[in-house]
Order: sequence, then C-alpha cells, then structure tokens
Amino acid sequence: NAGVTQTPKFRILKIGQSMTLQCTQDMNHNYMYWYRQDPGMGLKLIYYSVGAGITDKGEVPNGYNVSRSTTEDFPLRLELAAPSQTSVYFCASSPTRGEQETQYFGPGTRLLVL
Amino acid sequence: SQKIEQNSEALNIQEGKTATLTCNYTNYSPAYLQWYRQDPGRGPVFLLLIRENEKEKRKERLKVTFDTTLKQSLFHITASQPADSATYLCALYMDMGRRALTFGSGTRLQVQP
Repeated sequence: NAGVTQTPKFRILKIGQSMTLQCTQDMNHNYMYWYRQDPGMGLKLIYYSVGAGITDKGEVPNGYNVSRSTTEDFPLRLELAAPSQTSVYFCASSPTRGEQETQYFGPGTRLLVL
Repeated sequence: SQKIEQNSEALNIQEGKTATLTCNYTNYSPAYLQWYRQDPGRGPVFLLLIRENEKEKRKERLKVTFDTTLKQSLFHITASQPADSATYLCALYMDMGRRALTFGSGTRLQVQP
C-alpha cells in the first residue's frame, strides 16, 4: 500500500491564482482530513470528510473548498490565493472516527503564495 | 477555551539519556491521548495512544503517562539515540462537535551524539 499520497510536493502561486491540492489514500479509510501547518505551529484542521459525498468545515475553512466523490480522493481547492495561505498542507486519513482514531498522514504539499 | 500546550523550546539531550516531553491540556477531560512524531519535511507518524484508565503505556523505548488530575501527559524516550531527533506532537479528541483530533504545536527533540 502506498498509504496517503499528495501532489504536488511544492508549488508557488501568485496572489489571486487558484489551484487544487490532490490527496489519495489506498487504505479504504472512510475518514479523511486536510490540515495546514505554519512554521513552529501545530496542525490546524481545514476540512474533513466522513465518507464519499460528505464533507464538513474544520477550524480554518475560509478560502478553501473540498469535495469527496470517491472513498480514495479528497482534493482541496484554493480559490483566489492569498499570502496568508502560504503554509504546508497535510492530508490524513483514519479507519475509524472517535477518540480512538489514529491518523495516517501524507508527505505534505508546501505552498508559497507571492 | 480548550487548548493543548507543549514546550515550544527545543529539548537538547545527550545520546543515551532519557528524554521527557510534556503535554498539558485545559478545559477538557479526554478519554484518550495520542503522540505523533514528525520529521522535517514529512507528515506526522502515529506512535502511541493511551487511555484515561491506563496510567502508563510502553512501546519499546517509549513510555507515555497520562494524569487526568493534572491534565498532563509525559512522553519518555529512554536510551535516546540521534535518530530520535524529531518533533513530537500530542493530540487529543477535544472538539466533540467537530469530532476531530486537535494537535499541540509540538516539541523539537535534538539528541546529541
């Protein structure tokens, strides 16, 4: 199993551009998450999904959108990129939800908005 | 508000010593607490989960304690090695409405040979 894969690894965007960060998992996990991590900071939840067709906002959803058409894929869309969205983005999945959930993370996408 | 606190200062220790990292949380009573390891440029990797009724849990050279009275977890690495150098994050299931883990900002451990 490849686990959780993310593309691209690094991207530079100009202010106002848009892009989609791709996330795929091959573990048949129902639950998937998008986080952003700013330097020296913890992970902040952007959006999450409990299954195909179901998504919900996390702690910092403004400026982002997600969709979940399949169990495997959970793309994150940035519309009208802003410098404040410069960060490292991590996708994660988990087999269960609840207090015992443990999450499997992808390698991350580093995004720079200039 | 609910929050998780980890020492933001890096912990530097000599190889072979025991490293102890602290995770404190406020305004919540979680039933589970998790620890993750994050290497530079990589995603976090799950290490251990401890339940509130498990005062201590071990895995190889790792030991985690969970004191629900103090609202604190300690993460120990015994016989530390340079390969243990990384950032260690604790995580709690804090937001019952959102039903998702909340992560601390992590403590960077540097083990000197």
